[in-house]
Amino acid sequence: DGGITQSPKYLFRKEGQNVTLSCEQNLNHDAMYWYRQDPGQGLRLIYYSQIVNDFQKGDIAEGYSVSREKKESFPLTVTSAQKNPTAFYLCASKPDRGFDGYTFGSGTRLTVV
Amino acid sequence: GIQVEQSPPDLILQEGANSTLRCNFSDSVNNLQWFHQNPWGQLINLFYIPSGTKQNGRLSATTVATERYSLLYISSSQTTDSGVYFCAVRGSGSARQLTFGSGTQLTVLP
Repeated sequence: DGGITQSPKYLFRKEGQNVTLSCEQNLNHDAMYWYRQDPGQGLRLIYYSQIVNDFQKGDIAEGYSVSREKKESFPLTVTSAQKNPTAFYLCASKPDRGFDGYTFGSGTRLTVV
Repeated sequence: GIQVEQSPPDLILQEGANSTLRCNFSDSVNNLQWFHQNPWGQLINLFYIPSGTKQNGRLSATTVATERYSLLYISSSQTTDSGVYFCAVRGSGSARQLTFGSGTQLTVLP
């Protein structure tokens, strides 16, 4: 079955550490997105990529970094510069053309300990 | 950027009741989607509806683009309908990404 796989489901980070969240899709989608969700709030865009080797900052990119070396993969690194990283992180993808439906992964819950 | 407001923020229903969720947006859009987030965090696309009306079983949605709002109707609600419903839009300008509302938390009681 085609879909988006995010791993791990739960992640604990010590203060000062960088951590990387994985997002892989086998839908042959061109565009991929990272969103952050805080309790009781909607999703806010961190970074997005419409093509391999290119990505753009979203609304809350500070303290995060991404890469898009392969079409299938869009990993997100939460750096030590992100002061409040505890949140639920969702990855999404969609075709760059045609039907505009987004497909979401099941998310990674990151907690700073 | 475009603003998205959803109402009500919370809704508690008895099983079998009907409900209407509203999404207002501040500018013209070329993409509007309704999502359901289940208690485990998974987001499921319910409707892609930048204009017009669609129905899928007990759920239907209407978007009146000229008046900048969309409605999601849930009929004969079931406990499995519980979760958060999000409206997300993409403005007709140069933005290439969705902007989400803050959601409606729906609880359906047995």
